[in-house]
Amino acid sequence: DIQMTQSPSSLSASVGDRVTITCRASQYISSHLNWYQQKLGKAPKLLIYAASSLQSGVPSRFSGSAFGTDFTLTISRLQPEDFATYYCQQSYSGPFTFGPGTKVDI
Amino acid sequence: QVQLQESGPGLVKPSQTLSLTCTVSGGSIRSGNSYWNWIRQPAGKGLEWIGRIYTSGSTNYSPSLKSRVTISIDTSKNQFSLKLSSVTAADTAVYYCARDTVAAAGGSWHNYFDPWGQGTLVTVSS
Repeated sequence: DIQMTQSPSSLSASVGDRVTITCRASQYISSHLNWYQQKLGKAPKLLIYAASSLQSGVPSRFSGSAFGTDFTLTISRLQPEDFATYYCQQSYSGPFTFGPGTKVDI
Repeated sequence: QVQLQESGPGLVKPSQTLSLTCTVSGGSIRSGNSYWNWIRQPAGKGLEWIGRIYTSGSTNYSPSLKSRVTISIDTSKNQFSLKLSSVTAADTAVYYCARDTVAAAGGSWHNYFDPWGQGTLVTVSS
């Protein structure tokens, strides 16, 4: 199985901050990496697919990038509604594994 | 747009079989040549992919659950289902169904889970 790790596991930030979350794959996955946002009690919501493609309807303050097996999700200016847990997920090969999540709180 | 809704018992006894159904609305389960997935999340923990089924009926399962999982599809009812046998407390989780959507990006095809159902909590307890 491809293992996904994320750092940090949690972070505290303020409205307007720039936030960066890192995800690392245990092996080559090309750009087959997706990012999801999950709020408490809700289903995950797709933000970014193919490492850097913004899902329709997602604010442009969210962006993704890739450097080999390292991937980053950046929120350029944190908004109150962005406080949530963020997961990366590889879609390169089954089983389709998720990172452990990064909780962003105030 | 397509919406998914999970349904099934919220309480299952240990050693019994967990059975859930996902109903697809707003579109045909046969359209778009999609895979249909089950994913679970224990309370306070991360997401675990369980498996998926194609509209043809072919399946892929997580190796860690493969011996206990069966996913089936009923295109006439626009539904797909999950059965997980011999459950223990470790199977207590919110279970989500999700469509495997395919999109082109950077010259290749990419899969992602969207949309998702709202999730249903299944507790394994006597």
